[in-house]
Amino acid sequence: KQEVTQIPAALSVPEGENLVLNCSFTDSAIYNLQWFRQDPGKGLTSLLLIQSSQREQTSGRLNASLDKSSGRSTLYIAASQPGDSATYLCAVYGNNRLAFGKGNQVVVIP
Amino acid sequence: GAVVSQHPSRVICKSGTSVKIECRSLDFQATTMFWYRQFPKKSLMLMATSNEGSKATYEQGVEKDKFLINHASLTLSTLTVTSAHPEDSSFYICSARAQGRTPSSLRTDTQYFGPGTRLTVL
Repeated sequence: KQEVTQIPAALSVPEGENLVLNCSFTDSAIYNLQWFRQDPGKGLTSLLLIQSSQREQTSGRLNASLDKSSGRSTLYIAASQPGDSATYLCAVYGNNRLAFGKGNQVVVIP
Repeated sequence: GAVVSQHPSRVICKSGTSVKIECRSLDFQATTMFWYRQFPKKSLMLMATSNEGSKATYEQGVEKDKFLINHASLTLSTLTVTSAHPEDSSFYICSARAQGRTPSSLRTDTQYFGPGTRLTVL
């Protein structure tokens, strides 16, 4: 069974600092990995999707890397803003299902 | 814009009643939809995989007679929580996998998530 772990569970950073969110998974036989953003009481917004053959994906201030062999992914958010405050979920797709981590709860302090 | 809708977004019901939640894919067909449940500060837990025209596949520990799933068309799946109890209160999220003909803005075989339904059982 795929286990997805996200560290740290929660963090607060001052505005302008770079954010580094970590995700690890136990089964490297994955099809792809996605990072989502979730605001309180809301659904999921897909941020980045990395196919298993890719090493990283970038979108604006966001960059996600994938090291499938070691079972790790990192989401970098450059120059954080208060609007980046949310919970970030990592999910790996394999065996016809998405397995989610518990999320990194981020607060960016103005 | 949203590619998957859920209705209602929020529902409060009395214990013992049944509640139906709809999940619709907008502008694309989804032969497979998924229902998740999320508890506060917990990850999403897959409840079942909904297949158009056939029975849903339930995850271990999920009561199929309590959580009825109907995937009657390529764009609609419904989850009915029967005889709801306070412990069924949760955030329910559906997703739809884009398959076959999809708009160019969407990626085939990717799950797109609905905005979620907050269920409160009194």
